[in-house]
Amino acid sequence: AQKITQTQPGMFVQEKEAVTLDCTYDTSDPSYGLFWYKQPSSGEMIFLIYQGSYDQQNATEGRYSLNFQKARKSANLVISASQLGDSAMYFCAMREPYYNNNDMRFGAGTRLTVKP
Amino acid sequence: GAVVSQHPSRVICKSGTSVKIECRSLDFQATTMFWYRQFPKQSLMLMATSNEGSKATYEQGVEKDKFLINHASLTLSTLTVTSAHPEDSSFYICSAERDINYEQYFGPGTRLTVT
Repeated sequence: AQKITQTQPGMFVQEKEAVTLDCTYDTSDPSYGLFWYKQPSSGEMIFLIYQGSYDQQNATEGRYSLNFQKARKSANLVISASQLGDSAMYFCAMREPYYNNNDMRFGAGTRLTVKP
Repeated sequence: GAVVSQHPSRVICKSGTSVKIECRSLDFQATTMFWYRQFPKQSLMLMATSNEGSKATYEQGVEKDKFLINHASLTLSTLTVTSAHPEDSSFYICSAERDINYEQYFGPGTRLTVT
């Protein structure tokens, strides 16, 4: 069974600085997808970034980048130039391939607080 | 594009009654929809996966008879919590998947409170 681990329950970062949120995963399947979502206090899940297991380059989306280290099975999220609006819960998730039901499993989450 | 709605956003019901939550993909056809449950300050737990026109696949430990899922069309899935009890109070989130990519689009969630 796949497993997603986020070891940082809470993180603090100063506004305008960069922060890295850790995520490690465990799977024996060579085909998988890795996702990061942001969940503000309103509860909605906001998609941030996606990395496929066969992607050669690290994914980037604006201020978000994913530090994908396949051999170490880690997929850390880097947020550059933090903003006050970045304060939220952040979830790492892994998606199994279609032949394993396409299930998406989430880590426990990291609460990020951006300080002014 | 890729908007998913949920209705209602909040519902309070009495113990023993049933509650239906709707999940709609507004601008795309969703081959697969997923239902999650989230307790306060916890992560999302997958409850079931539903494909249009077929029975839902439930995760281990999720009672099929209690959480009825109907995926009636490519744009609508419903979750009915039958004979609700206070321990069913939670935040329920659905997501929908387009078959052209790998991404799940999440609804805004439904907060259920059973009194």
